[in-house]
Amino acid sequence: DVKVTQSSRYLVKRTGEKVFLECVQDMDHENMFWYRQDPGLGLRLIYFSYDVKMKEKGDIPEGYSVSREKKERFSLILESASTNQTSMYLCASSKSPQGVYEQYFGPGTRLTVT
Amino acid sequence: AQTVTQSQPEMSVQEAETVTLSCTYDTSESDYYLFWYKQPPSRQMILVIRQEAYKQQNATENRFSVNFQKAAKSFSLKISDSQLGDAAMYFCAYSPNRDDKIIFGKGTRLHILP
Repeated sequence: DVKVTQSSRYLVKRTGEKVFLECVQDMDHENMFWYRQDPGLGLRLIYFSYDVKMKEKGDIPEGYSVSREKKERFSLILESASTNQTSMYLCASSKSPQGVYEQYFGPGTRLTVT
Repeated sequence: AQTVTQSQPEMSVQEAETVTLSCTYDTSESDYYLFWYKQPPSRQMILVIRQEAYKQQNATENRFSVNFQKAAKSFSLKISDSQLGDAAMYFCAYSPNRDDKIIFGKGTRLHILP
């Protein structure tokens, strides 16, 4: 059974803290994605990666960075958390070519920055 | 720019009835994929149904079917015999036929009335 896991379901951090969100997939997928989900705005792509050590900016990369040192793991980093980064963060993965195959999603991390 | 529009933020349907969720998209590509994803409350997003643009036949998965109108760039989801477990946020999504990002609509929250 395919699986995408995220390190935390709920996270509370203080403004200015460095925050790491981890995502692991066990399907040997080439592509991995980070989204944030906000009411009324749907899913917005932050960053994605086609391969190890590769990354591409999505629609809202400002304030975020990513790391993909191993194929199965894709980390999202908030260098200095701010209150406007309070959101639900979803990780997803897919086989290549991405358009042909569905994305598999993790359960999400609800991050609150106070 | 490629966009996906879901014009109905919320809908309600009586249990056992049929409901149609609307989706339109904008693209200049001729080869692409369309998806409907379902996000139940507090649960992971999963794929409901997928349509290849080059196929004229509408995709069907049990009680879920689509009405794909390529010229009109319309991709609606029909749920027949609605069940309480169908209550969820539904996202329409588009992806070109290459390794690229998926573009999601803002979602339609579907309520099932017992």
